[in-house]
Amino acid sequence: GENVEQHPSTLSVQEGDSAVIKCTYSDSASNYFPWYKQELGKRPQLIIDIRSNVGEKKDQRIAVTLNKTAKHFSLHITETQPEDSAVYFCAETDSWGKLQFGAGTQVVVTP
Amino acid sequence: DADVTQTPRNRITKTGKRIMLECSQTKGHDRMYWYRQDPGLGLRLIYYSFDVKDINKGEISDGYSVSRQAQAKFSLSLESAIPNQTALYFCATSDRGHEQYFGPGTRLTVT
Repeated sequence: GENVEQHPSTLSVQEGDSAVIKCTYSDSASNYFPWYKQELGKRPQLIIDIRSNVGEKKDQRIAVTLNKTAKHFSLHITETQPEDSAVYFCAETDSWGKLQFGAGTQVVVTP
Repeated sequence: DADVTQTPRNRITKTGKRIMLECSQTKGHDRMYWYRQDPGLGLRLIYYSFDVKDINKGEISDGYSVSRQAQAKFSLSLESAIPNQTALYFCATSDRGHEQYFGPGTRLTVT
């Protein structure tokens, strides 16, 4: 989506290393920032989200950070495993709940 | 997630034909969405509906129409299909909490 920029478009990491995906947005009213994972041939599924009153959130090997002043948020995956290989989408939503997605990042974890 | 279903899962049609993609959900959500996914472009919103009497255009509604037959059903129609509508189409649902649940997708090919 034109309001959300996501980088990089592809990311290759060695198993066990960390992966970081960054997104920037333009709508200052955005208050909810989810991350979706889409495995090959499957539907997107929510893996973690963060709301604008929180700066960081962790769930096991996954963390998301939000900088509302700079209007950017990032996904961090630590100790990557082959099953982390997928396309990851960031998104932002306004107060109406309508999501704007980034273009996606293809993550490849090599053994 | 079997709570959101789409039919058909695959469809091949010819240019100029009218086709309908259907989405049903048993999650009891008021909000439903139609997206299309193209490589490198992420998920783009076609139409969305926040309740049975509410229909809104998304960023790429030209050439599409929708019908919200009931809380649980939201169908997408292509009035006269054209080849550049070849894509993967996803239906999604949410409540006011923002997390969206996606259906399995419909792969549409227009020849």
